[in-house]
Order: sequence, then structure tokens, then C-alpha cells
Amino acid sequence: DAGVTQSPTHLIKTRGQQVTLRCSPISGHKSVSWYQQVLGQGPQFIFQYYEKEERGRGNFPDRFSARQFPNYSSELNVNALLLGDSALYLCASSSDPTNEKLFFGSGTQLSVL
Amino acid sequence: GDSVTQMEGPVTLSEEAFLTINCTYTATGYPSLFWYVQYPGEGLQLLLKATKADDKGSNKGFEATYRKETTSFHLEKGSVQVSDSAVYFCALRRKGGSEKLVFGKGTKLTVNP
Repeated sequence: DAGVTQSPTHLIKTRGQQVTLRCSPISGHKSVSWYQQVLGQGPQFIFQYYEKEERGRGNFPDRFSARQFPNYSSELNVNALLLGDSALYLCASSSDPTNEKLFFGSGTQLSVL
Repeated sequence: GDSVTQMEGPVTLSEEAFLTINCTYTATGYPSLFWYVQYPGEGLQLLLKATKADDKGSNKGFEATYRKETTSFHLEKGSVQVSDSAVYFCALRRKGGSEKLVFGKGTKLTVNP
């Protein structure tokens, strides 16, 4: 079975633009979480979705939004990009929110110029 | 709020040396504790976990013991290999609720032949 897949792997945007990142969870996993990893720091929680409903939100501005589709894939959207949004964005999936074993994708490296 | 503090890196060791990476946490209640590893260009992989006080997590020769009295979860390995070179993240998760992980900043380990 394929692991968690994210696309694109790399992305370059300019300030003020909007970006959409995509994530496909492991087959059978219904819970998806998003994390932002700034260079030299640990990942920070952005969102968690389960069964298409938002279950948790981290301390990020409203420029960040996400959704989950009926097939459990997910998109993370960031509007009005700032230089500080440059980071590795990681998606993780699990069978359900109570399962402590998360599987992470390789991430999307976003550079904002 | 919840937080995780890891020893600052980078850590450079010779092959077969003993490894310790310190991790302490602050959290309400008794969270589950994790060590994740990130190899270059890859996402995070769960290395080991412990869910209650005095539990010992172990995997691939790595061990960590959940110490409630010192709020610590130090990672150890008796004999490191070049292939262990990676960034190691300590993390916690409160039981119940969302699957939000709180990560430390990470410790980069380089093992030389």
C-alpha cells in the first residue's frame, strides 16, 4: 500500500499569492492532520480533519484553511502569503483521531519570495 | 501550554558510541510521549512511544523511559551506526481529544564511521 502522498513536493510563490497543497492519506485512514515545519524547528500543528469535519485547529491566522474530501484526501490553502510562511508542510494520517500512530508524508517545501 | 524541550544539537558521534538525547516536557495530566526520526528528504517516522509512567518504549536498539517524577523521556542507544544519522524529535500528545502532537525543536545527529 502507498504511504501518505503529498503534492507538489516543492513550490515557489511570491508574497501575496495563494497556494494549495494536497494530501492523500493511507488507504483506509480517515483522519488527516497538517503541520508546518520551519527550518530548524519542530513541526507545529495547523489542522486536524476527521470524516470531513474539522476536529482541531492550531494557533495559525485565518489565512490558513483546509478541507477534507469524501475520499478523505485533504487540501491546505494559504492566502496572502508572507515570507514567514516559507516552510515544509507535512501531512499525517491515521485510522481515526484516537489512534496514536500517525503516518507522515514527505512534505511540500514552500518557498515564498 | 504544553511544551517539549530537547537538548540543543547538533550531536556528532563516532560509530559504536553511546547516544543520549535529553527530552523534558510540560503538560497537563499525563500525556503520551513519542520519539520521531526524520531522515534527509523524508517525512517523520515514529521511532518509539510510551503511554504511561515507567513505560519503556524501544525500537531498532533505541530506548526511552517515561519518567513522571522528572517529566523526562530521554532517548538512548548503546551503539550508534552511520545509518542513525538523522534529526530526532521528541513529542507529546494529550490523551483524548484531537491527535495534535507538540514537538520539540529536534536534535540533529551525525554519526561518523
